[in-house]
Amino acid sequence: EAGVTQFPSHSVIEKGQTVTLRCDPISGHDNLYWYRRVMGKEIKFLLHFVKESKQDESGMPNNRFLAERTGGTYSTLKVQPAELEDSGVYFCASSQLTGFSNIQYFGAGTRLSVL
Amino acid sequence: GENVEQHPSTLSVQEGDSAVIKCTYSDSASNYFPWYKQELGKRPQLIIDIRSNVGEKKDQRIAVTLNKTAKHFSLHITETQPEDSAVYFCAASKELTGGGNKLTFGTGTQLKVEL
Repeated sequence: EAGVTQFPSHSVIEKGQTVTLRCDPISGHDNLYWYRRVMGKEIKFLLHFVKESKQDESGMPNNRFLAERTGGTYSTLKVQPAELEDSGVYFCASSQLTGFSNIQYFGAGTRLSVL
Repeated sequence: GENVEQHPSTLSVQEGDSAVIKCTYSDSASNYFPWYKQELGKRPQLIIDIRSNVGEKKDQRIAVTLNKTAKHFSLHITETQPEDSAVYFCAASKELTGGGNKLTFGTGTQLKVEL
């Protein structure tokens, strides 16, 4: 079974530019999550999709961040315009939509460096 | 919201010794507590999890204990091996309406197992 895949693995951009991160969840997983780890701190929740709907976006830092999941398959996270403090590792995770198996499977992350 | 604290931030043990990592959480409604291991450059991987209706769970050399009254849980690794060297994250969550579970992570523990 293919795991959660993220692209790109690393992105280096200048302040003010736009970057789009992509996440392909495990096939059949309706739950999709975005998390971020900044400067070696904790992994912080950004938002949660159930299929194509945003279930919880309470962790999104500000309106420069836009997440989409058209069709309920892969998801994108766009940062526009990027700021220095957006640097970090962005993780995507997915899980099945069941009551007793909420294990979240993580991707390897996208390391974003804003210069 | 939920807050998870994790200690220690770094831990160095000799091969064959035991390692213990401790976490506390703030929200008494949290009912699911996973532990993730992240090796350098790789994805966080679930190594063990525990639900609030259980006080202890073991899987070979790994065990997790949960004290709901005190709101703390711990990871125990026995007979440590060099391949156990990694960053370990604890997390807490509660079921969301409609399924899924937002994870709140601790800040991570860098475990180093020395020969």
